Amino acid sequence: QVKLLQSGAALVKPGASVKMSCKASGYTFTDYWVSWVKQSHGKSLEWIGEIYPNSGATNFNEKFKGKATLTVDKSTSTAYMELSRLTSEDSAIYYCTRFDYNNYYFDYWGQGVMVTVSS
Amino acid sequence: DIQMTQSPSSMSASLGDRVTITCRASQDIGNYLSWFQQKPGKSPRRMIYGATNLAAGVPSRFSGSRSGSDYSLTISSLESEDMAIYYCLQSIQYPFTFGSGTKLEIK
Repeated sequence: QVKLLQSGAALVKPGASVKMSCKASGYTFTDYWVSWVKQSHGKSLEWIGEIYPNSGATNFNEKFKGKATLTVDKSTSTAYMELSRLTSEDSAIYYCTRFDYNNYYFDYWGQGVMVTVSS
Repeated sequence: DIQMTQSPSSMSASLGDRVTITCRASQDIGNYLSWFQQKPGKSPRRMIYGATNLAAGVPSRFSGSRSGSDYSLTISSLESEDMAIYYCLQSIQYPFTFGSGTKLEIK
């Protein structure tokens, strides 16, 4: 069965960077785009961007350009997102999710990574 | 960016009630509209895609519909396990955008 297993929670200092992972299993990793979604505490969902593992092509929400970097390791079927120059506004839960381009929606989600930015 | 205006922001209903949640798109999104359910402490779960298609494993009491730029998620007979926050998503244009969410509580 399809699974997206994300890395654990992170506590990071303002101005630092954090890199989180999303390990895919149960499907051919290179066949599906992987998106990242932000959920600030008690708030709605924001689409950050997506990456196509087969080519490394990316698309971003303008709001997150310069903040988020998306990469993949095809050998381990793992997608990564790095967030830089962290501020308190970056404290949130971050989800990875698989995009089904046949039906145009996010069909599987990781369990989420809670990032807390605090000195 | 396409704005998804979701209503109501919260609602309370009794078991067995028929419940409808609506999203209105600021631009034409065709049927590129999906619905997600999120329970406390959990990841979102896909419920409806293509505006009207039930995702695998979703109970048949859930349905989706479209009238022009208004999209609705309906629960025909509310059950206690349906208590959650529901979000819509447009996926026709970057950046993909979500509605603000509807918190559904059981009376």
